Amino acid sequence: QTVVTQEPSLSVSPGETVTLTCGLNSGSVSPEHYPNWFQQRPGQAPRTLIYSTNSRSSGVPDRFSGSILVNKAALTITGAQADDECHYYCILYLGSGIWVFGEGTKLTVL
Amino acid sequence: EVQLLESGGGLVQPGGSLRLSCAGSGFTFSNYIMRWVRQAPGKGLEWVSSFGDRSYKTYYADSVKGRFTISRDDSKSTLSLQMNSLRAEDTAVYYCVKGTSATNGFDVWGQGTVVTVSS
Repeated sequence: QTVVTQEPSLSVSPGETVTLTCGLNSGSVSPEHYPNWFQQRPGQAPRTLIYSTNSRSSGVPDRFSGSILVNKAALTITGAQADDECHYYCILYLGSGIWVFGEGTKLTVL
Repeated sequence: EVQLLESGGGLVQPGGSLRLSCAGSGFTFSNYIMRWVRQAPGKGLEWVSSFGDRSYKTYYADSVKGRFTISRDDSKSTLSLQMNSLRAEDTAVYYCVKGTSATNGFDVWGQGTVVTVSS
């Protein structure tokens, strides 16, 4: 069974940079997995931040960026703000129309 | 402005059926892949199903295959999810999600509709 891995929790100080990762238990993540990243604040619907590895969704600040780093998809938040404290999810395309989410990362800004 | 409005959620007994709808506006509905994603209480996100744009291909997560059916009516800019043989583990908020143009991505999310399966 394919499992998408994310850090369960991360913390960052205000103004600092943090990188969240999204991996596969079965191997390396590549652009052909079309990594997407989502932000979800408590009680709200998710919001797309990044699609297809590194394309920013409309209205997303450029301090959010996506990439492939050392065989994993990565979401980098530059200059973290208190408002960034929430859950972040990634999703990977496995082919044949099938997508799998990671279990999410709870980001704390302190 | 792109908007997605889900409806049809509610309380249903195990083994029962429910039909969710998602009304899209602010974009040419027929041009985009549309998807359903759900979130059980206190849990993470789970991709449920996708409906291709002009290809009309449908895809399902193993957890719902054979029980759920996704459909779309482009003339009404509406996406639907027929859910049969519902189980307690189908209890979740169900979100409708618009695909991106030109590439394989997720774009705008609706606010969700709550489905509770309980006796």
